[in-house]
Amino acid sequence: EAQVTQNPRYLITVTGKKLTVTCSQNMNHEYMSWYRQDPGLGLRQIYYSMNVEVTDKGDVPEGYKVSRKEKRNFPLILESPSPNQTSLYFCASRLAGGLETQYFGPGTRLLVL
Amino acid sequence: AQSVTQPDIHITVSEGASLELRCNYSYGATPYLFWYVQSPGQGLQLLLKYFSGDTLVQGIKGFEAEFKRSQSSFNLRKPSVHWSDAAEYFCAVGGGAGGTSYGKLTFGQGTILTVHP
Repeated sequence: EAQVTQNPRYLITVTGKKLTVTCSQNMNHEYMSWYRQDPGLGLRQIYYSMNVEVTDKGDVPEGYKVSRKEKRNFPLILESPSPNQTSLYFCASRLAGGLETQYFGPGTRLLVL
Repeated sequence: AQSVTQPDIHITVSEGASLELRCNYSYGATPYLFWYVQSPGQGLQLLLKYFSGDTLVQGIKGFEAEFKRSQSSFNLRKPSVHWSDAAEYFCAVGGGAGGTSYGKLTFGQGTILTVHP
């Protein structure tokens, strides 16, 4: 089954404790991205990747890192989480051709205390 | 810069009634437009998309949307709402080819739909 998976689905952590949220897709998509969803703000793009080893900042990249060492994986790294990063995070992927349909993962709900 | 506005934060309708969710966009060229639905606790699912051609677009679950360039709108409609349509709906605009925003999706704030029996 074609899908985007994220782990963990739920995470409670404390300020400053480094964490990684994994994202994996099995559709051989070139393009992957991370969004955060906050009430009243919709989804905002954090980082995106056009292909392996090619990443760039989205609209709200501060406090986040990403890497793309393999085509299928695109982990999101919070080196020193803060309470304002409490949010619902979505990973998405699509083919490289412009505005192909994006497929979204199920989301990761993060609470930073 | 591209942007999307969904003027209605929350809409309540009765089951069987018609529905229209509003979406206004800002983009310098021909936009690519999308509607996504998010059911509680779920990820986002694509309802429909507009790239070019016929301005009335049919999607899944009986939804349709109409692109009106003169009004910079892409409103979502359904003639008869079912209780299972209760969800949050997001309009998104994507940058077209040749622009600096090529491939980038910008989402609206979302509209929460409540359906009364």
